[in-house]
Amino acid sequence: ETVLTQSPGTLSLSPGERATLSCRASQSVSRNYLAWYQQKPGQAPRLLIHGASSRATGIPDRFSGSGSGTDFTLTISRLEPEDFAVYYCQQYGSSPNTFGQGTRLEIK
Amino acid sequence: QVQLQESGPGLVKPSETLSLTCTVSGYSISSGYYWGWIRQPPGKGLEWIGSIYHSGSTYYNPSLKSRVTMSVDTSRNQFSLKLTSVTAADTAVYYCARSYYASGSFFYDYWGQGTLVTVSS
Repeated sequence: ETVLTQSPGTLSLSPGERATLSCRASQSVSRNYLAWYQQKPGQAPRLLIHGASSRATGIPDRFSGSGSGTDFTLTISRLEPEDFAVYYCQQYGSSPNTFGQGTRLEIK
Repeated sequence: QVQLQESGPGLVKPSETLSLTCTVSGYSISSGYYWGWIRQPPGKGLEWIGSIYHSGSTYYNPSLKSRVTMSVDTSRNQFSLKLTSVTAADTAVYYCARSYYASGSFFYDYWGQGTLVTVSS
């Protein structure tokens, strides 16, 4: 099973700043099948990115994904107040698909 | 717009069977996609449980496979989860989600709101 490690655990930033979230896999993710989700308190996760860099339908272009192999990054170019949430990466390049432990993005 | 809604008991006794149903609207299950269950223990991360196709073909997480059964009812546009011999470790918010199949695995593009299931006597 592929283990995903996200860093940092918590990221404190201000609106308007740039956020960079990391996801590292214990083994290479096949075909860069890596997704990112946003989860707000009391809500279901929302798909942001799939295939490491493809934005899901309706996702603003301030969200971008990059990376390959074992190292992936989610970047939020200019933080909006609604972006403060927990972010999870997920690999689906091998079964079982697995999730990282999450990065909490909080307002500084 | 695809919408999913979980339903089922919020409290299950230890050693009994957890049963949940997901009702899909805005999309016919028979039209394609896999349909899955993911859970999240309070304050913790996400764990895939399994996914099912409208034909009944299933994929289960090996860590839960011995206790999980999923089924689909295309006439009601629903799919269901049964998890046997539950313990307190199975206490979690259970989500149903549309599962996008990719080379034997899945990501999830539409999610239900989730339902909390507590295992306690």
